[in-house]
Amino acid sequence: AQSVSQHNHHVILSEAASLELGCNYSYGGTVNLFWYVQYPGQHLQLLLKYFSGDPLVKGIKGFEAEFIKSKFSFNLRKPSVQWSDTAEYFCAVNAGGGATNKLIFGTGTLLAVQP
Amino acid sequence: DTAVSQTPKYLVTQMGNDKSIKCEQNLGHDTMYWYKQDSKKFLKIMFSYNNKELIINETVPNRFSPKSPDKAHLNLHINSLELGDSAVYFCASSQYSPYEQYFGPGTRLTVT
Repeated sequence: AQSVSQHNHHVILSEAASLELGCNYSYGGTVNLFWYVQYPGQHLQLLLKYFSGDPLVKGIKGFEAEFIKSKFSFNLRKPSVQWSDTAEYFCAVNAGGGATNKLIFGTGTLLAVQP
Repeated sequence: DTAVSQTPKYLVTQMGNDKSIKCEQNLGHDTMYWYKQDSKKFLKIMFSYNNKELIINETVPNRFSPKSPDKAHLNLHINSLELGDSAVYFCASSQYSPYEQYFGPGTRLTVT
C-alpha cells in the first residue's frame, strides 16, 4: 500500500532561518507529489506540485521542493522563513491516477516560526 | 468568489443523531471528495465521486452515505452519530486530470 512519511512532527524556527521538511513515500510507479499548507483555522491550500519534468519545483510564497526519485523523497524547502509561515504542512502523494485519484497524506509537520 | 464551499462550518450534535454536510464547487471539476481530519490532524480520504458516480469508497462505516445530485455537489449524510465521528470533514474537488485537488474550508463536527 502507498504511504507517506513526514519525519518532522514539530519544527520550531526563528525568523530568517532556513527550512527543510522531509517527505518520503512508498510506491514504485509513477507518482504525482504535492505539498499543502494549513494555516491555523483554515483549509488546505496547495503550495506546490510535481507531475513530471524538472525535479526542482517552485511554489507560492518562496517555497520549493525537490523530487529525488532514487530516494523516494520530496522535501520542502524555504531559504528564509517568516512568522506568517507558521502552519501545518502536509506532503501528499497521488499514486492511483485516473478514476482512483486519491491523495495519500503524511501525518503533517507543525511549523512554528518565532519572531 | 468561493471555489469549494461547505455548510455548515461548525456542527455540534448528540450521539445517535443524523446529520448532513453539504459541499458545492464552482470550478467545473468532474470529481469531488470527502476527507476526514482527526484530532491529530491526520487526513484520510473517505469517498470520491466522478460525474456523480462513486469511485472511491474507503473503509468507512455504512452510517456514512455520500450523495452527489450533480457533479457540482457532494453531500455527506451521517446516521447514528458516534463520539468517534468528531473530526473536521473536508470536501475537495479536482479535474479528472491533472489531479490537483482544491479543498473547502472544512466542517468541524463535534459529537457529544
